[in-house]
Amino acid sequence: GQNIDQPTEMTATEGAIVQINCTYQTSGFNGLFWYQQHAGEAPTFLSYNVLDGLEEKGRFSSFLSRSKGYSYLLLKELQMKDSASYLCAVNSRRGYQKVTFGTGTKLQVIP
Amino acid sequence: DAGVTQSPTHLIKTRGQQVTLRCSPKSGHDTVSWYQQALGQGPQFIFQYYEEEERQRGNFPDRFSGHQFPNYSSELNVNALLLGDSALYLCASSFSGRPNNEQFFGPGTRLTVL
Repeated sequence: GQNIDQPTEMTATEGAIVQINCTYQTSGFNGLFWYQQHAGEAPTFLSYNVLDGLEEKGRFSSFLSRSKGYSYLLLKELQMKDSASYLCAVNSRRGYQKVTFGTGTKLQVIP
Repeated sequence: DAGVTQSPTHLIKTRGQQVTLRCSPKSGHDTVSWYQQALGQGPQFIFQYYEEEERQRGNFPDRFSGHQFPNYSSELNVNALLLGDSALYLCASSFSGRPNNEQFFGPGTRLTVL
């Protein structure tokens, strides 16, 4: 089966750094996605990790440890517009995508 | 370059009715996946279409069916609607030549079943 766990909600202060964790247990693994979803909108792509390690993209970084079934999304210099849900998703099928999403972490950025 | 488009934006149906949702993929994409997202939950995979065939399916009953056309656009059909089918239905497209690349999501269709 597929199981992806993330905290339900988090609150952080504008300008600070926040780390959103994701653990997964899936029948296969071919990469891990992070998506951002503002209320009432479609998810938008943030990152994709296939190999272990940290990938940095501007204010956002994503880390993966395949042996631990663990990933995190790091958001630096938080801005009010970063208030959104952050979805961790695992692609469990080689060759083409079979993507399983977690329930998402609702991040609230406060002044 | 148009992204993924979906129609209609909103839809209200009653129990037992049937509904058809439509999706046009991003230009250059040939694979379409459909997701159901209940309020406060992550998207749940329904199925994926490639070369006009369903090639993967999530844990959804046969009431959920789909189709892909030669121009890669796709439809999602739901028969015998239940109250629990009320959700945001998302379509996502990708290119089979880069299977590990990101999926681009459409804005979704909000379905309400009364």
